Amino acid sequence: SQTIHQWPATLVQPVGSPLSLECTVEGTSNPNLYWYRQAAGRGLQLLFYSIGIDQISSEVPQNLSASRPQDRQFILSSKKLLLSDSGFYLCAWSALGKGARTYEQYFGPGTRLTVT
Amino acid sequence: GDSVTQMEGPVTLSEEAFLTINCTYTATGYPSLFWYVQYPGEGLQLLLKATKADDKGSNKGFEATYRKETTSFHLEKGSVQVSDSAVYFCALSERSFQKLVFGTGTRLLVSP
Repeated sequence: SQTIHQWPATLVQPVGSPLSLECTVEGTSNPNLYWYRQAAGRGLQLLFYSIGIDQISSEVPQNLSASRPQDRQFILSSKKLLLSDSGFYLCAWSALGKGARTYEQYFGPGTRLTVT
Repeated sequence: GDSVTQMEGPVTLSEEAFLTINCTYTATGYPSLFWYVQYPGEGLQLLLKATKADDKGSNKGFEATYRKETTSFHLEKGSVQVSDSAVYFCALSERSFQKLVFGTGTRLLVSP
């Protein structure tokens, strides 16, 4: 079966510091990968998605970037964090177009980031 | 563009009460529809789905029917439990099918 991991689970970082959040998927190959942010009490905001290595689409202009160094690894980064970057970051995967005809996404446990 | 509208929360119910959380959508084409649930401090879990008109998705006592004529996908449960307290998100598959469009979520609070 497929599993998705995120780390760290929680992170407290000062303003202006760098960020690296990691997401890995097991049990599937060539997944579509997604990064979402959920601000406190708010809905989900899609940040990036990737349908393959070196194929990353950005949804919202900001000081964040994403990379996919391996097929099942998705990294969210920032060079300098802002207070507004605080939130709950969720990684997700789907198999659409990769042998599956269903569109659902499966989410990781999330990383809670607090920028102080 | 495609969008999902959910009822404002929180929805506060007593245990064993009937639950309805409204969800309506705007989309071109024929999207698939989903309900996700998020328990405190956790990621989202797929609760149920429907892929075409008149389909009924069901899981753990929850049900939702894909109504194309009213562009709705309301979530229902006949008897809620305290353990159902969570945030519920309605979502649809965006036209490119590579992305999902989520509603803003509805918080459900069930008291004993």
